[in-house]
Amino acid sequence: DTAVSQTPKYLVTQMGNDKSIKCEQNLGHDTMYWYKQDSKKFLKIMFSYNNKELIINETVPNRFSPKSPDKAHLNLHINSLELGDSAVYFCASSPGGMGGELFFGEGSRLTVL
Amino acid sequence: GNSVTQMEGPVTLSEEAFLTINCTYTATGYPSLFWYVQYPGEGLQLLLKATKADDKGSNKGFEATYRKETTSFHLEKGSVQVSDSAVYFCALRSNAGKSTFGDGTTLTVKP
Repeated sequence: DTAVSQTPKYLVTQMGNDKSIKCEQNLGHDTMYWYKQDSKKFLKIMFSYNNKELIINETVPNRFSPKSPDKAHLNLHINSLELGDSAVYFCASSPGGMGGELFFGEGSRLTVL
Repeated sequence: GNSVTQMEGPVTLSEEAFLTINCTYTATGYPSLFWYVQYPGEGLQLLLKATKADDKGSNKGFEATYRKETTSFHLEKGSVQVSDSAVYFCALRSNAGKSTFGDGTTLTVKP
């Protein structure tokens, strides 16, 4: 069983379109995240939810909207896609507490043409 | 705010060479420290961690020691293998539960 699973793994779309990436974790963790990894492998946090509540919202355009229907799911919807949105998006989850590490999904590679 | 600075890559080594990837951090309080590894085409996975000063994390022949006096958490391995080729990320997790990652170091090990 995959602990953190995200779909789709690959997404190719045109500029201006709207797309969603889904994420589910079966670890029973309270906190979930979305990270963006660019072509240089830099990893940047976008959002964090704890028990369905938004707790971290970094400087991300309003076109990005996370939704957490329950604590096991955190989806990412992107409106009006731009070329610069091309990246690999990683979902992650973690248990509570400082020592808890992050568990990452395999990533969703988004290519905007 | 918190920050993590790790050795710039890419790093290229021959098989069986000694590996060090430097990592220093800036943080208030007493963070937990982590090394994550990302193999090609995969997500990040935990390699090792240390939650308090002087703790040593170890896994798969890799080691790192939490040095509070030098605010460092350098990654070492005595003899690397081709299969260790990956991107390595140093990270910290603050008292408030927020994670901060370094920029990643790409390691290539040649036979």
